[in-house]
Amino acid sequence: DSGVTQTPKHLITATGQRVTLRCSPRSGDLSVYWYQQSLDQGLQFLIHYYNGEERAKGNILERFSAQQFPDLHSELNLSSLELGDSALYFCASSVVGDGYTFGSGTRLTVV
Amino acid sequence: GENVEQHPSTLSVQEGDSAVIKCTYSDSASNYFPWYKQELGKGPQLIIDIRSNVGEKKDQRIAVTLNKTAKHFSLHITETQPEDSAVYFCAASSGAGTALIFGKGTTLSVSS
Repeated sequence: DSGVTQTPKHLITATGQRVTLRCSPRSGDLSVYWYQQSLDQGLQFLIHYYNGEERAKGNILERFSAQQFPDLHSELNLSSLELGDSALYFCASSVVGDGYTFGSGTRLTVV
Repeated sequence: GENVEQHPSTLSVQEGDSAVIKCTYSDSASNYFPWYKQELGKGPQLIIDIRSNVGEKKDQRIAVTLNKTAKHFSLHITETQPEDSAVYFCAASSGAGTALIFGKGTTLSVSS
C-alpha cells in the first residue's frame, strides 16, 4: 500500500456520460498530480494541485476538470466521455513536488 | 515545454545480464530525474532518482547516470533477476512543484 488511495479501481460507462475519480493523497502531502496512462501515449500529465490551488495544467481536455478539497483529497471529473478516454488514470502525491507516490489507478472503460 | 525521449521501448535480457535504459530531455532547466518501475496492475513506483548536481547514484544493483551537457540520463540494472521484469519509466522536472514529464516507458523482460 503506497498510502495514496484511488477509487474506484474500475469504472465502465457509456459514451457521453460523466464520471468522477477520487484520490486521497498520502498523509502530509499537499501536492496532488493527475496522469492519464494509455498504451500508446505513456503517462500524460493532466493537472497539478497544491494545497487546494491549481498550479499547472498539462494535456488536459476541456471536458475534464479537477479540484482539491480542504481535506486535500482530489477529484477528477470527466464529462462527455468518448471511446478514446478509456485509459488508466493515476494520481500521485508529494510533499514538495519531487519523488511522487502513485496510487494504484482507476481503469476507465468507455463503451 | 519539456520532452523526454526513452529508448529502447522493449528490452529482453537473460538472468544475470545487465540492462541499460536511456533517456534524453529537452529542457535545460530540468534538475530532477527519477526512475519508476511499474508492475502489471500497479501504479508506478519510484526506484531511484538523481538531481542535477550529481553525476551518478547507486543503490544496490541499480545505478543512474546523468550527463547534463548532453541532456541524457541512463538507468543501469546489474545482475538482472526475473522479478526485475516490468515497465520502467524515466521522468524529468525542473524542480519543486513542477510536474514530472515521463518518457514512454521500456518493457524489460528478464528470462531465466
